[in-house]
Amino acid sequence: GAVVSQHPSRVICKSGTSVKIECRSLDFQATTMFWYRQFPKQSLMLMATSNEGSKATYEQGVEKDKFLINHASLTLSTLTVTSAHPEDSSFYICSADQGDGSLETQYFGPGTRLLVL
Amino acid sequence: DQQVKQNSPSLSVQEGRISILNCDYTNSMFDYFLWYKKYPAEGPTFLISISSIKDKNEDGRFTVFLNKSAKHLSLHIVPSQPGDSAVYFCAASRPGSRLTFGEGTQLTVNP
Repeated sequence: GAVVSQHPSRVICKSGTSVKIECRSLDFQATTMFWYRQFPKQSLMLMATSNEGSKATYEQGVEKDKFLINHASLTLSTLTVTSAHPEDSSFYICSADQGDGSLETQYFGPGTRLLVL
Repeated sequence: DQQVKQNSPSLSVQEGRISILNCDYTNSMFDYFLWYKKYPAEGPTFLISISSIKDKNEDGRFTVFLNKSAKHLSLHIVPSQPGDSAVYFCAASRPGSRLTFGEGTQLTVNP
């Protein structure tokens, strides 16, 4: 299957700082990427849908000013957690859509573990 | 509002036996269901899917059953192998909407 990478795999930061997470589709172009968050023992929750060249669409309850998403190219989307606080500590995972209309061709990255102290 | 639930956080089975992972949903608008497998430090990978017009889909050792009246689906793995040890997520979709995931079930297959 297609490969999606995320960087960094884990990050520890101080409260109040900003953290950028990159999501790359390595062997295909993705017009749409998705950002999820998973708290311990909970499901993957969709945060936002990132479309190349346009503004991201955020799910209800997700602050767009806090979670900045940029999808500058067909292979890269970034999520910036601004002014991070301990409650933002979570597992963030992205996925990239090959764009063929099939749910099965949404490929996931390995995730980024964020710990805010 | 957890629309997709996997009530068993973990399951342990013996190699060669059947593994049955369960998933319940509440939204009757869901019409497509998928199972994903996730190994540590990797992203979830697609395993098998089923449309609501079917009640069974089989792919090798993996079979997914859908009971629409009960809003329940299950993934059967037979025979189970140690390499099947992973977290399994079920996910559901409805027209015009993105995937809704369950919490995941950690399957451990013992040699």
